[in-house]
Amino acid sequence: DSGVTQTPKHLITATGQRVTLRCSPRSGDLSVYWYQQSLDQGLQFLIQYYNGEERAKGNILERFSAQQFPDLHSELNLSSLELGDSALYFCASSAETGGGETQYFGPGTRLLVL
Amino acid sequence: GQNIDQPTEMTATEGAIVQINCTYQTSGFNGLFWYQQHAGEAPTFLSYNVLDGLEEKGRFSSFLSRSKGYSYLLLKELQMKDSASYLCAVRDERTYNTDKLIFGTGTRLQVFP
Repeated sequence: DSGVTQTPKHLITATGQRVTLRCSPRSGDLSVYWYQQSLDQGLQFLIQYYNGEERAKGNILERFSAQQFPDLHSELNLSSLELGDSALYFCASSAETGGGETQYFGPGTRLLVL
Repeated sequence: GQNIDQPTEMTATEGAIVQINCTYQTSGFNGLFWYQQHAGEAPTFLSYNVLDGLEEKGRFSSFLSRSKGYSYLLLKELQMKDSASYLCAVRDERTYNTDKLIFGTGTRLQVFP
């Protein structure tokens, strides 16, 4: 158990819908990262927050957005869902950022868009 | 561009030694991570190399050569539970203010009795 929690574990929804994935980092960790893992691709970095502020952005679609709240939990919002958005979404956290910090991954949310 | 290459699949026998290679071509470099991921589960941290050489941690060791853009993960005394995907990830030097990682597609290792 990494100490990172994600809810829900599974999510089934329809195309065009909007969903929110939630992540709570390990106690004391300030940095949160979101990754997408599709069947035919490796882990793709989406976005990072550090202490409430956006720190880095990957190839995140405009339909996707995220935020980190004052209590350091983070939410990833996915809207206008398409079939291709079906994937495992992982959140990871690290204590700090910029120093080669190890990222600890949550159990993931498996999203299925029908 | 950013490119990380690993073999897609490998097989090995219980008790044996296996080496999983990773080559990378990135705009910069500031560290390489290895993660283990069992199917449908979260990646778990195995090792981190930022300087050239070998880092040993129990049955697992990781090697880095920055001049060659090359790393390997060595697994000794293989056990059935080592059957998993092994992910190589590089921290791009340009991202000095973040720990954004670029992941390879992973190597799926199957250990047979």
